[in-house]
Amino acid sequence: AQTVTQSQPEMSVQEAETVTLSCTYDTSENNYYLFWYKQPPSRQMILVIRQEAYKQQNATENRFSVNFQKAAKSFSLKISDSQLGDTAMYFCAVHIIQGAQKLVFGQGTRLTINP
Amino acid sequence: NAGVMQNPRHLVRRRGQEARLRCSPMKGHSHVYWYRQLPEEGLKFMVYLQKENIIDESGMPKERFSAEFPKEGPSILRIQQVVRGDSAAYFCASSPPQGTQYFGPGTRLLVL
Repeated sequence: AQTVTQSQPEMSVQEAETVTLSCTYDTSENNYYLFWYKQPPSRQMILVIRQEAYKQQNATENRFSVNFQKAAKSFSLKISDSQLGDTAMYFCAVHIIQGAQKLVFGQGTRLTINP
Repeated sequence: NAGVMQNPRHLVRRRGQEARLRCSPMKGHSHVYWYRQLPEEGLKFMVYLQKENIIDESGMPKERFSAEFPKEGPSILRIQQVVRGDSAAYFCASSPPQGTQYFGPGTRLLVL
């Protein structure tokens, strides 16, 4: 079974600062995807970024980037130049490619960007 | 290209009634997933379906809950004889085979 742990229940930073959200996971599989989803107050689940486990290069999407350490089973999200609209719950998730297709989510980190 | 559609967005039921939640996947997506989110928690997998087939229902409660994805029409998550503990947000996601899952806006179920 897979597990995902987000050790920071809440974080708060000032606008324009950089913030890093932590995520560790556990799986015995070798082929999987990792995701960060954002859930703003509207409660919509929005895909932020995706990382294939077989790729060594860290994924980047504009101000969002990840630090993927496969051996350590760590997948942190860095948000640069944070904006007020980044205020949301952030969920880390793992998806095993073969077999069960479900996403396994962490408990989430509530991120607040202060003006 | 329309995203994943869910309706209703909000549903209020009294204890003992039935709740039906509908999900239309993104165009071109043949795989549908249902997740439940209790207050202040992450999403928990319930069931994974393809057209006319339940592939994985390991997260579904054994009683009162059922899901289908017929050949025509949306996927349906059905909760019979609802209880207060069923109050939650229910999210549907869709994907192509082994692809990224995209989520709908969710249905907030409140059981009085």
